[in-house]
Amino acid sequence: DQQVKQNSPSLSVQEGRISILNCDYTNSMFDYFLWYKKYPAEGPTFLISISSIKDKNEDGRFTVFLNKSAKHLSLHIVPSQPGDSAVYFCAAFGGSNYKLTFGKGTLLTVNP
Amino acid sequence: DAMVIQNPRYQVTQFGKPVTLSCSQTLNHNVMYWYQQKSSQAPKLLFHYYDKDFNNEADTPDNFQSRRPNTSFCFLDIRSPGLGDAAMYLCATSRELLNTEAFFGQGTRLTVV
Repeated sequence: DQQVKQNSPSLSVQEGRISILNCDYTNSMFDYFLWYKKYPAEGPTFLISISSIKDKNEDGRFTVFLNKSAKHLSLHIVPSQPGDSAVYFCAAFGGSNYKLTFGKGTLLTVNP
Repeated sequence: DAMVIQNPRYQVTQFGKPVTLSCSQTLNHNVMYWYQQKSSQAPKLLFHYYDKDFNNEADTPDNFQSRRPNTSFCFLDIRSPGLGDAAMYLCATSRELLNTEAFFGQGTRLTVV
């Protein structure tokens, strides 16, 4: 039973364009959401997060949008750079559930 | 400077031969986690320690054990590795439970032959 879903295994965009990575969740108790970035042969690194009391959080080129009614969040990267090429994991926790629940990840490839 | 360090980065073990993976942290965080990630799958939490208190996930096989001799170190012991246990094993830390960010190590890639 997958509570955090990233339905696109991969995404390819051109350098300078926008990358949009999507994530859906089913557990209405989730109230904190995170995006992690993972390069090959490295562990995930924290990228950006959002609390359920917000609908948008921005950090430089990275913006996360949260639509609670749709149980959907997205990560926007503008402009995309080749160095952004990595696997992006969406993760969530909330309520009495302390543990991070991850999606399967989306492989982003930014072409020069 | 690496804050969560996992050793070794790559481990090859024989079917049925016990193996131990190591994790250390310089963050002085209370919580240490072990995740298993198989190819194209989400990282799956195996267990965590809050200080010295061990918390096992309900679906973690008995074959997997953990030790935390002090704040800095945590070990994952696989008593009798099977072919299905080949995976990336990720260690993570957080200051507290329900923390808004977990710090991950680089992972150990386990191969079972």
